Amino acid sequence: GENVEQHPSTLSVQEGDSAVIKCTYSDSASNYFPWYKQELGKRPQLIIDIRSNVGEKKDQRIAVTLNKTAKHFSLHITETQPEDSAVYFCAANNFNKFYFGSGTKLNVKP
Amino acid sequence: DTAVSQTPKYLVTQMGNDKSIKCEQNLGHDTMYWYKQDSKKFLKIMFSYNNKELIINETVPNRFSPKSPDKAHLNLHINSLELGDSAVYFCASSPRLQGVEQYFGPGTRLTVT
Repeated sequence: GENVEQHPSTLSVQEGDSAVIKCTYSDSASNYFPWYKQELGKRPQLIIDIRSNVGEKKDQRIAVTLNKTAKHFSLHITETQPEDSAVYFCAANNFNKFYFGSGTKLNVKP
Repeated sequence: DTAVSQTPKYLVTQMGNDKSIKCEQNLGHDTMYWYKQDSKKFLKIMFSYNNKELIINETVPNRFSPKSPDKAHLNLHINSLELGDSAVYFCASSPRLQGVEQYFGPGTRLTVT
């Protein structure tokens, strides 16, 4: 089955700095890669996603890159703000198989 | 209006009891899921249903039984609760099985004492 690994498990940055979270996956048939943000005590919510036919996608301060050959994808947050502090999950989807990474706790210090 | 709702929000019960968690979505989605999030925040899929049909049944003890009376509802029944079942359980839905956003419910925090 699919194995999604996510690093780092915790990340602390200064407000205004960039943050990068990386994920690798094992199933080459996976073709949809969403990123979810979960604030403390809240539900996970989609922040950005990318499909296997695209190498990069950007939405304001958030971007995701995908390297299909290497089977890894990354989340980039620029100009971080305290409200970006949360747990971020990557996921890989192949038809009916949907697997999440172990999460990255991002702390943005003001 | 809440798109995906779960009841109850909190559930405290003793070992050995049987309990149910209910989930409803008003988005008209075909696919619904149950996830378990443990104390380390790891989010693991348990079940998925598409048009009321069980699609994914991950390695979950058979004490857990999902029931989908219709496309808008996916309930989770747990028999003989154990301490290790303590976690937050999230219901989610999506328009279809593949390649789309999942919308999560608010979660049910289950504590087994």
